[in-house]
Amino acid sequence: KAGVTQTPRYLIKTRGQQVTLSCSPISGHRSVSWYQQTPGQGLQFLFEYFSETQRNKGNFPGRFSGRQFSNSRSEMNVSTLELGDSALYLCASSLGLSGRSSDTQYFGPGTRLTVL
Amino acid sequence: SQQGEEDPQALSIQEGENATMNCSYKTSINNLQWYRQNSGRGLVHLILIRSNEREKHSGRLRVTLDTSKKSSSLLITASRAADTASYFCATDASNYKLTFGKGTLLTVNP
Repeated sequence: KAGVTQTPRYLIKTRGQQVTLSCSPISGHRSVSWYQQTPGQGLQFLFEYFSETQRNKGNFPGRFSGRQFSNSRSEMNVSTLELGDSALYLCASSLGLSGRSSDTQYFGPGTRLTVL
Repeated sequence: SQQGEEDPQALSIQEGENATMNCSYKTSINNLQWYRQNSGRGLVHLILIRSNEREKHSGRLRVTLDTSKKSSSLLITASRAADTASYFCATDASNYKLTFGKGTLLTVNP
């Protein structure tokens, strides 16, 4: 089975721009979660989608949004980029069927976003 | 705030030695997971232990969970240079949300 793929792998943007990151989960996985990783804050949960519905979200401003398509692929969008948005953005997929608890997450390689 | 906190923040050992990392968390959980991350790359799942389990093994890995103390430990036996990575614990105190600690950076010297 192919693993989780994320595109693009690297991105450079300037402040005020917007960006869209893409994630393709492992075949058969219906849950996709997004995380932001920075040296200062570590790994922080952004949101989780299952069957095109957002089931939980972290404490990020509304500039961060996401969606999931019927084939389980997911995108996240960050509008009006700020310098502090520079980070490694990781997506993870799982079966998502175990009720409220979290399954094993399978992570993609991440998208390294640099905001200048 | 972080639900899980790993200790120590950094650990340096020689090849062949054992490495122990600890994780403490704040609220009740359904399960606790350990992940490994090689520098700047995606995380790799190592092991999941459920709240009703006390110990679990996987190859050279041994994980314990003490729900009364809200703590877990990860033991890597007979470490290798390839084990050099950051190790994170993650808890699912909230619905469909994994909360990660800040990690332990393990360096295994050849």
